[in-house]
Amino acid sequence: QKEVEQNSGPLSVPEGAIASLNCTYSDRGSQSFFWYRQYSGKSPELIMSIYSNGDKEDGRFTAQLNKASQYVSLLIRDSQPSDSATYLCAAPPPNFNKFYFGSGTKLNVKP
Amino acid sequence: DTGVSQDPRHKITKRGQNVTFRCDPISEHNRLYWYRQTLGQGPEFLTYFQNEAQLEKSRLLSDRFSAERPKGSFSTLEIQRTEQGDSAMYLCASSLGIEAFFGQGTRLTVV
Repeated sequence: QKEVEQNSGPLSVPEGAIASLNCTYSDRGSQSFFWYRQYSGKSPELIMSIYSNGDKEDGRFTAQLNKASQYVSLLIRDSQPSDSATYLCAAPPPNFNKFYFGSGTKLNVKP
Repeated sequence: DTGVSQDPRHKITKRGQNVTFRCDPISEHNRLYWYRQTLGQGPEFLTYFQNEAQLEKSRLLSDRFSAERPKGSFSTLEIQRTEQGDSAMYLCASSLGIEAFFGQGTRLTVV
């Protein structure tokens, strides 16, 4: 079992719709969770971090965390073609000596 | 530019040659991570420095790989006797506390 699991997709949504990306993790000691966006051929860019159960909103992005279910999600409202990218979920162990990454979910937003 | 800087951005080398990559972290960031990423996969952890101390090293990392962070500032990653399987994007990330930020990456092609 990988430490962080994501559905590889691709996830296709029409422009203006809500995109929902999901992630599960195995280390119950992980307390912080991160979403990175990666455009093709580029490096990952941090877009959201969440530390507490519940929702965290930043503009069109909402991260959701459920530690009991070991589940993290990212919602993108009013999806735009420029949101088309691979979204990586990351979770470090408590000592932050590394970040475990999922394999990423590829999102396609169709105009 | 105050982000993480990696050099070179691209490197083409012949099998069997040695290569060295450099990473300059964000100023005052004490944590530095090296990752490797191949097409369609999430970043794979290689090694971690806290200041100048190398505190974690992936078991997947063969003895052909070595990393240093003298004086706790920039870091270098050397690959000796490169193999075609070493072709990948090599990513460096730095962190002061919890959130980690990536550089642009070095794309290595071994021919």
